[in-house]
Amino acid sequence: QKEVEQDPGPLSVPEGAIVSLNCTYSNSAFQYFMWYRQYSRKGPELLMYTYSSGNKEDGRFTAQVDKSSKYISLFIRDSQPSDSATYLCAMTAGGKLIFGQGTELSVKP
Amino acid sequence: NAGVTQTPKFRILKIGQSMTLQCTQDMNHNYMYWYRQDPGMGLKLIYYSVGAGITDKGEVPNGYNVSRSTTEDFPLRLELAAPSQTSVYFCASSSTSALTDTQYFGPGTRLTVL
Repeated sequence: QKEVEQDPGPLSVPEGAIVSLNCTYSNSAFQYFMWYRQYSRKGPELLMYTYSSGNKEDGRFTAQVDKSSKYISLFIRDSQPSDSATYLCAMTAGGKLIFGQGTELSVKP
Repeated sequence: NAGVTQTPKFRILKIGQSMTLQCTQDMNHNYMYWYRQDPGMGLKLIYYSVGAGITDKGEVPNGYNVSRSTTEDFPLRLELAAPSQTSVYFCASSSTSALTDTQYFGPGTRLTVL
């Protein structure tokens, strides 16, 4: 069983839709939870990170962590074609950074 | 600032050949990393460095070697290439060791071993 599971998609939505991207994990020692965005043929870039259970908002992006369920989500409101990318969740424990497989998102105009 | 640059962008190797993937950063970061990204597998850490002259193994170091003679450069060496090393390789750097610190990634090197 992988430590971090992420639905690879692809996920296709119309412009303006609310997008929900999710990861589940098995290691209760994970402390910090991050979301990276990776455009095609580019390296990943850090979008945001959270520590505790609850929500963290940054513009159109909201990161949600539920440690009791070992489940994290990234919500994108009013999605734009420029949001089309692969989104990777990542988590830290014991000095290690573990990435999910990534979800490919396409936002159609 | 160019950020993190990687060369080459693409490479095809034959089994048993060797090559060096180059990585340079101009942000004066002490911490540098090499990852590989396989389809459907996420990124896995190969090697990392906390400063010039100091390197350590990551999760998947077998078949690779690194060196760090300067702050700016962190080359990754593949000896005796194998098909299992077909992947996209990313170099990254950060200013601190905190895993929540922003790691700046290069554009990647796409390597195919035939």
